[in-house]
Amino acid sequence: QVQLQESGPGLVKPSQTLSLTCTVSGGSVNSDGYYWSWIRQHPEKGLEWIGYIYHSGTTFSNPSLNSRLTISLDTSKNQVSLKLSSVTAADTGVYYCARGLDVRYCSGDTCSHSWVFDPWGQGTLVTVSS
Amino acid sequence: DIVLTQSPGTLSVSPGESATLSCRASQTVSSSYLAWYQQKLGQPPRLLLYGASNRATGIPDRFSGSGSGTDFTLTISRLEPEDFAVYYCQQYGSSPLYSFGQGTKLEIK
Repeated sequence: QVQLQESGPGLVKPSQTLSLTCTVSGGSVNSDGYYWSWIRQHPEKGLEWIGYIYHSGTTFSNPSLNSRLTISLDTSKNQVSLKLSSVTAADTGVYYCARGLDVRYCSGDTCSHSWVFDPWGQGTLVTVSS
Repeated sequence: DIVLTQSPGTLSVSPGESATLSCRASQTVSSSYLAWYQQKLGQPPRLLLYGASNRATGIPDRFSGSGSGTDFTLTISRLEPEDFAVYYCQQYGSSPLYSFGQGTKLEIK
């Protein structure tokens, strides 16, 4: 059973870089078919997809964060990393690591794909404040 | 950008009754690309349904989904105490690549 655990500083100063690590156990970040993703949840608000990295190293990110975001893999440690530069108070929230996957399912003769997140890590709270 | 609007914001229902939650998209979403999650206090979201109506592993059959185009529904029948939580819909494919609704809080009446 795959488990994900986020870690990193809980407090980051404005204009600095937020750095988080997601350690994957029970599975490999090198496995085909998974999109290792970061998602954040602003206080009392909803969920925002940040971006993902594929085992090949290909990344895709939310256009709203594109220029500040770096997502990388460390296959030797089975970890996924997130770096978000020039943070402001608006970047405060709980940051989740999640495994993105393409679920193939069929109904009768028709087969389709669905892209979802499962499982998720427990999340880590990051506060941006001086 | 696509916007998912969930309604109501809060729904009060008694245990044993049914709850119907709505997710409306600002543009057409393929039903294949619509999912639902449950989030309990202090926990991460958990995948409930994918492809609008297919239950994820271990999800009881009192959870069902339907809809197409821009209107999708999550129905929870015979509400159990553990079902009271916040529910989110999620779409894939439109910019941004993934997005979520703002959530519906299901509370005990």
